[in-house]
Amino acid sequence: AQSVTQLGSHVSVSEGALVLLRCNYSSSVPPYLFWYVQYPNQGLQLLLKYTSAATLVKGINGFEAEFKKSETSFHLTKPSAHMSDAAEYFCAVSEGGGSNYKLTFGKGTLLTVNP
Amino acid sequence: DTGVSQNPRHKITKRGQNVTFRCDPISEHNRLYWYRQTLGQGPEFLTYFQNEAQLEKSRLLSDRFSAERPKGSFSTLEIQRTEQGDSAMYLCASSRQKYTDTQYFGPGTRLTVL
Repeated sequence: AQSVTQLGSHVSVSEGALVLLRCNYSSSVPPYLFWYVQYPNQGLQLLLKYTSAATLVKGINGFEAEFKKSETSFHLTKPSAHMSDAAEYFCAVSEGGGSNYKLTFGKGTLLTVNP
Repeated sequence: DTGVSQNPRHKITKRGQNVTFRCDPISEHNRLYWYRQTLGQGPEFLTYFQNEAQLEKSRLLSDRFSAERPKGSFSTLEIQRTEQGDSAMYLCASSRQKYTDTQYFGPGTRLTVL
């Protein structure tokens, strides 16, 4: 069975500071990994994904994430936070290779950006 | 692509009533997923369709829940005899078969059971 752990349910940063949101996963097969962002009362928007190609993945809005198999991690970073980044972020894993690709999500990390 | 749409966006109902939600996936996306998200939690998988065939159901999907995708296009999720524990955001996502690793989500239907 696959699972996702997001360390820190709430992260607060100052505008312009580094954003680091942590995600660790568990999967019995090579995983596909995703970061989604959710704004209040909205659905989820894909930020980036890892599907066994380059381990450093660049996404939208200046975010990137690095897949580290040895650490079973897929942490999300952004060099400089913007006020518009305030939202909830979800890490998710799916098992590729012919499965139904259902996503297993972490509990989410709420990012607050202070002026 | 116009995106995944869901209706209604909000539904308030009394305990014991039946409710039905609709999801219209992105055109030509043959895979459709339903998830449920409760407050403070990430979305949880409920069920998935490939075309009109329902291929997997989570144990979260009790007998009171039924989902259909009759013509392989839109899907409906019905909850019978609603309970207060059914209050949640119900999210629909769709994907292409060729790019099955990317699911695009709709805005969700927020259900409140009084």
